[in-house]
Amino acid sequence: EAGVAQSPRYKIIEKRQSVAFWCNPISGHATLYWYQQILGQGPKLLIQFQNNGVVDDSQLPKDRFSAERLKGVDSTLKIQPAKLEDSAVYLCASSPFRGQREKLFFGSGTQLSVL
Amino acid sequence: AQSVAQPEDQVNVAEGNPLTVKCTYSVSGNPYLFWYVQYPNRGLQFLLKYITGDNLVKGSYGFEAEFNKSQTSFHLKKPSALVSDSALYFCALLRGATNKLIFGTGTLLAVQP
Repeated sequence: EAGVAQSPRYKIIEKRQSVAFWCNPISGHATLYWYQQILGQGPKLLIQFQNNGVVDDSQLPKDRFSAERLKGVDSTLKIQPAKLEDSAVYLCASSPFRGQREKLFFGSGTQLSVL
Repeated sequence: AQSVAQPEDQVNVAEGNPLTVKCTYSVSGNPYLFWYVQYPNRGLQFLLKYITGDNLVKGSYGFEAEFNKSQTSFHLKKPSALVSDSALYFCALLRGATNKLIFGTGTLLAVQP
């Protein structure tokens, strides 16, 4: 079965620029997550979608981050404008279940460097 | 406050020897605990979970974890390490109130041939 696809794999931008990441979850998975993994830290949840609705975005810095999941399938995460502290790996995960008691399936991530 | 800690940044072990990666937790109520592994340039992969029941949980790739309530620990173990086990291991706790995973800071496992 195909896994969670993410692109691009790497992205280098200057501060104050904008950037977008794309995620295609496993087919049939209703729940989609975006995580931020800063070097030396564990992943931190940014936003959770159930189909195309937002379940939890309490840790999303909404002044600069936005995310959408049109038609309940693919999702994009955008940062505008980027700051140096946004340098991290952005992981997308999906699950056929609503909660996180069952295993999540992660993509390989997008590594963002903000200069 | 609910939290999970991985006290070792790195664990070194020789191939063929047993390995242990430590995890401790703090939670009110019953803990739901997980182990994920991250290979280089890959996303996290689920290894195993403890929800309830037997304190010894068996998972993927020959790994197992022992839940110890009195010591509030959930250490990951494997009887015989392989070089291919070298990766970053994350312990995670599910916060019941928010149904949200809290990940530890990760432990880098290096298995020497």
